[in-house]
Formats: sequence, C-alpha cells, structure tokens
Amino acid sequence: EPEVTQTPSHQVTQMGQEVILHCVPISNHLYFYWYRQILGQKVEFLVSFYNNEISEKSEIFDDQFSVERPDGSNFTLKIRSTKLEDSAMYFCASGTSRNEQFFGPGTRLTVL
Amino acid sequence: GDSVTQMEGPVTLSEEAFLTINCTYTATGYPSLFWYVQYPGEGLQLLLKATKADDKGSNKGFEATYRKETTSFHLEKGSVQVSDSAVYFCAADRGSTLGRLYFGRGTQLTVWP
Repeated sequence: EPEVTQTPSHQVTQMGQEVILHCVPISNHLYFYWYRQILGQKVEFLVSFYNNEISEKSEIFDDQFSVERPDGSNFTLKIRSTKLEDSAMYFCASGTSRNEQFFGPGTRLTVL
Repeated sequence: GDSVTQMEGPVTLSEEAFLTINCTYTATGYPSLFWYVQYPGEGLQLLLKATKADDKGSNKGFEATYRKETTSFHLEKGSVQVSDSAVYFCAADRGSTLGRLYFGRGTQLTVWP
C-alpha cells in the first residue's frame, strides 16, 4: 500500500542553523501539507501546497519557513534559522482531494 | 475562529469495555469532520470521516455521528481491544477546497487485557 515517507525520523540541530525536512508524498497525489505538533499541544497546520504553489499558510509559517517540490516527487520544508520553539514533531501529508489526507510518520526536530 | 475541542486523556479501559471520546467543534462554515488514529511510531491514519450533518462515519467497529445541533462528533466503540491502544485525534476542515485541518489535542487510549 502506498504511503507517505519522511526523513530523517529525528533531527537535532543548533539554534540558528538551517534545517530541511524531507517528505515523499504518495505518487498520484496533488495536495501537499505540513503540520507540526509541539510536545503536549495540538497538531497545527503550517502550509498547504497545490499546483506548484502555496495554497494557504498559517500565522506560524513566517519568513523563516519555506516549502519546495524540487523534482516532482519530494516535498521539503526548510526552516532558515531555527529557534528553540521550533522543536516539534513535523508531519507531512498528501491527498487527492480535500477530504483525504494521508500522513507520514513525522520528523522529530530538536533545537538545542 | 475554527477549532476542535477533544476530551483529554489518558483513557484506560479493560478489554471489551465501551469507549467514548468526546469531540466538539466550532466552525463558521460546514466542515467535514474526521477521526485520525496514531499507533506508536507511526503517522496519523484516517479512521473515519463524515462530510455533512447526520452522517455517520464508521470503520473497524468505531463510529461517530456528525451532530450539527450540538456541534459534536463523538467517537464510540462498543467493545475495545488491546490493539486499539493508540492516540486518537479529532479534526475538522472548513468546508473549503483547501483542506486545512484543525486538530484536537489527541486522546491517549490504553486498553488492558
């Protein structure tokens, strides 16, 4: 069964460093998303991506964040200069329509 | 604004007990409602959904009914199994084409044999 994959499973970085989180969505999906979950808090929407552009972004998704679909299969989230409060589990999701989102296992980001 | 409020856990039950996890939503439009489940070490998996009022979503013995009058989507199962132990998330969209989901905090369910 096709699934969304994410790498790495755990990323540790120093404050101020850039990180790139990688996702491979399911191959025929057209909608792509990033969410995050800070420990003990809700899963929060970051950004949605469709037709090679951002469809919607939340107030969390500021200028430090960017997304790319560089080669038609990968979908990346870049954080330019990480802060301590960026420590969270980051989930990628993809879907063929607005009612079906398939999630990856997540990348745990730890900012020291 | 749009939001989802979910019963906090953890919930601990014996096998074959009845499960209810409460979920209420606030939304300006006509959202679709979802329950996702997360097993240890895995991603969020869609468990069931309902797209309009009075719809009942069901899967693997779990059920939830979209109640517009009480803005609720409570998850129920008549007889839980040890294998149901997981974290359950209630979620809603805004009824638009964009698919952004609003999640509750998640409820940890542990079922003992």
